Amino acid sequence: DGGITQSPKYLFRKEGQNVTLSCEQNLNHDAMYWYRQDPGQGLRLIYYSQIVNDFQKGDIAEGYSVSREKKESFPLTVTSAQKNPTAFYLCASSDRAPSPLHFGNGTRLTVT
Amino acid sequence: GQNIDQPTEMTATEGAIVQINCTYQTSGFNGLFWYQQHAGEAPTFLSYNVLDGLEEKGRFSSFLSRSKGYSYLLLKELQMKDSASYLCAVRDPNDYKLSFGAGTTVTVRA
Repeated sequence: DGGITQSPKYLFRKEGQNVTLSCEQNLNHDAMYWYRQDPGQGLRLIYYSQIVNDFQKGDIAEGYSVSREKKESFPLTVTSAQKNPTAFYLCASSDRAPSPLHFGNGTRLTVT
Repeated sequence: GQNIDQPTEMTATEGAIVQINCTYQTSGFNGLFWYQQHAGEAPTFLSYNVLDGLEEKGRFSSFLSRSKGYSYLLLKELQMKDSASYLCAVRDPNDYKLSFGAGTTVTVRA
């Protein structure tokens, strides 16, 4: 079955540590995205990539980094510079517009 | 930039109809999407509108007026499983970017 896999589902880290969230898709989609969701809030765009080896900052990119070395993979690193990293992180992919986004099941990151 | 507004919460009775409004003020427009998200889960795609008018898909319908910057999602014959958050999202015309509203939490009561 085609889909988007995010791992792990739950992640715990100590403050000051960098952490990388995995996102893999086998839908052959060109575009991939990372969103952050805080309790009671909508999705805010962190980074997105329309093609391999290219990516753009979203609305809240500070403290995050990404890479897109392969079409299937779009890992997100939450760095120690991110002031409030505890959140629900969602990865998504899409074909060319007007295709909808397909979401992974998310990673819930807790930093203490 | 994108400014997308939805009501925060709505409550309705099982079997009834609920209409969730979404207004947007964006620098460009290339389609409006509605997603459903149950608590702790990923959003799932419900509907897409790019031209004015009503799109019907079973119990769910979505309407768009581009001149008014307005859309609504209509949920008919409400079921308990429809209790969820409903997210309105607008696509940027220049790239693949999708901007979301804060979501409307719908609670269906027996």
